[in-house]
Amino acid sequence: DTGVSQDPRHKITKRGQNVTFRCDPISEHNRLYWYRQTLGQGPEFLTYFQNEAQLEKSRLLSDRFSAERPKGSFSTLEIQRTEQGDSAMYLCASGGDRSNQPQHFGDGTRLSIL
Amino acid sequence: QKEVEQNSGPLSVPEGAIASLNCTYSDRGSQSFFWYRQYSGKSPELIMSIYSNGDKEDGRFTAQLNKASQYVSLLIRDSQPSDSATYLCAVMDSNYQLIWGAGTKLIIKP
Repeated sequence: DTGVSQDPRHKITKRGQNVTFRCDPISEHNRLYWYRQTLGQGPEFLTYFQNEAQLEKSRLLSDRFSAERPKGSFSTLEIQRTEQGDSAMYLCASGGDRSNQPQHFGDGTRLSIL
Repeated sequence: QKEVEQNSGPLSVPEGAIASLNCTYSDRGSQSFFWYRQYSGKSPELIMSIYSNGDKEDGRFTAQLNKASQYVSLLIRDSQPSDSATYLCAVMDSNYQLIWGAGTKLIIKP
């Protein structure tokens, strides 16, 4: 299967700890997105990569959040000094060359902050 | 503030009937429109894309787009219990940014 892959599926950690999530996009896709979703809401945009370049980052995104896509393939999302409010589903999506093409999602990483 | 509006529901439809889901958007420059299905605890799954005014059919699903009214809808014919899910409308704005609705919860009653 060559769909979007995310790891881990679940992460439980104590407040104040750092966490890192990984996303492997569909291999031929050069666009990669990170979203956060809480119950009853649509996905909230966090950041976007075109190949290795981070082209957009949400103004709502705290400085505790950072994302990388070093070689234009997989991406990581790190949250430093986690807070209760960071508990959510973190979704990664990838899309093809054309900007108007749809995005395809991985299974997500569910983060729970104790 | 660019917005996509959906009725949160739940929308309850008898099995075998047509389910009609609606979405309005604020950015007139939007060109691409998507419907995603999301089961509880799972990630969104793309079910339909539509780019031009009119209807687009795929199996039991029909997407309808009216850019003049800034309105996009999804019809599900012969609704099945497995169609019970939250349906998310996503609109790509003039900056190629996806703007998401909060979703409509659909319940198909056997």
